[in-house]
Formats: sequence, structure tokens, C-alpha cells
Amino acid sequence: GENVEQHPSTLSVQEGDSAVIKCTYSDSASNYFPWYKQELGKRPQLIIDIRSNVGEKKDQRIAVTLNKTAKHFSLHITETQPEDSAVYFCAATLVSGGYNKLIFGAGTRLAVHP
Amino acid sequence: SQTIHQWPATLVQPVGSPLSLECTVEGTSNPNLYWYRQAAGRGLQLLFYSVGIGQISSEVPQNLSASRPQDRQFILSSKKLLLSDSGFYLCAWRVMGAGHYGYTFGSGTRLTVV
Repeated sequence: GENVEQHPSTLSVQEGDSAVIKCTYSDSASNYFPWYKQELGKRPQLIIDIRSNVGEKKDQRIAVTLNKTAKHFSLHITETQPEDSAVYFCAATLVSGGYNKLIFGAGTRLAVHP
Repeated sequence: SQTIHQWPATLVQPVGSPLSLECTVEGTSNPNLYWYRQAAGRGLQLLFYSVGIGQISSEVPQNLSASRPQDRQFILSSKKLLLSDSGFYLCAWRVMGAGHYGYTFGSGTRLTVV
């Protein structure tokens, strides 16, 4: 089955710095890689995603890169702001037997200090 | 519009009591539906998924069960709760359509077993 590893588990940066979170996945059949942001006590919210036929995608201050050969993908946040503080989850979608399943990494707690 | 509803928001139940959590979606038909659990400070664990009425797949053996009595209704149940069943339970559905591949989460149920 699919296994998603996420690093680091915690990340502390100064406001305005960049933050990078990295994930690896195990199943080469995975074809969709979303990133979710979860604020305390709330549901995870999709912030950006990438499909396996694309190497990089950017949306304002956030970007995601995918290396299919190495089976890893990363989230990049530039010019971080205090409101970026949250837990971020990467995920990989695996289609198995006609069923689509989303497997999550363990999460990264990002703290942005003013 | 497509929306997902989940209730109750919070629940405190004694050990050994039954459980029933409900999730419904609106604005779509034949959605893929999922139940995830998040233990305190941890990642999201896939518990069950369903691709249609009466079709349930279990990801991990446990004290819980799921049912899908109607196309847009997904229910998580237990006959006798354990302390280890405490957590944040999230229902999710897979958005289907051109250019959309992500999962959208309900607002979650925070279950405390005492």
C-alpha cells in the first residue's frame, strides 16, 4: 500500500523567511498530490495540489514541486506571515482496484514568528 | 452548490456506549465518501471509504463500522466505544469534475470517550 513520509515534523521561521516542507511517497502509481492546511480545531483545507504530469505549480506565495523519479514532492511558502502558522499535511492519491484513496503524511507544525 | 455536512460537532460518550456519526453531501450524485480519524496532535488516518450505496471498504481493523444507506449519506458507528476511539472524526468526499481532483472535508466531530 501507499506510505507517505513528511519532514520536518515542526518548523519555526521568522516572518518574511521561506518555509519548505518535504514529502516522499512509496507507490509509483500515485498520480495526485494535494497539500492541506489545518488551523487549530478546524478541518483541513486544500491549499494547492499537483498532478503527476506536472513538475511544478505556483499560486501566489505557495508553490509545490514534484519529482516523480525520486518519488518526492515539496511545499514552498515564501514571504511567510504569522497567519501561515498551522499544521500542513501532504497527501498522495492512490488508485487501487478502481478505488481512489488519499493517504496523508503525519503533518508539519509551522510556526511563523513576527 | 456542492456542500458536505457533518454532525454533531462535539460528543462526549462513556466507554461501552454506542456511537453514530452522520455525514451528508449536497449538490452531487454518487460521490466517493471517506471517514478519517485524527488523534490529538497526529495525522489523518483513513478508516473507511465508499464508492456507492452499500459499498464499504475498511482500511484498518478496529472497533468501528461504516454504512452507506443512501447515495449521499455516510454513517460511522460503534456498538461499544473504547477510550482509544477518542479523536477528531472527519468525513470527506472526492470532488468530481473537470480540473477537480481534491477531497473536501466536513467540519468534523470531536469525540471524547470518558
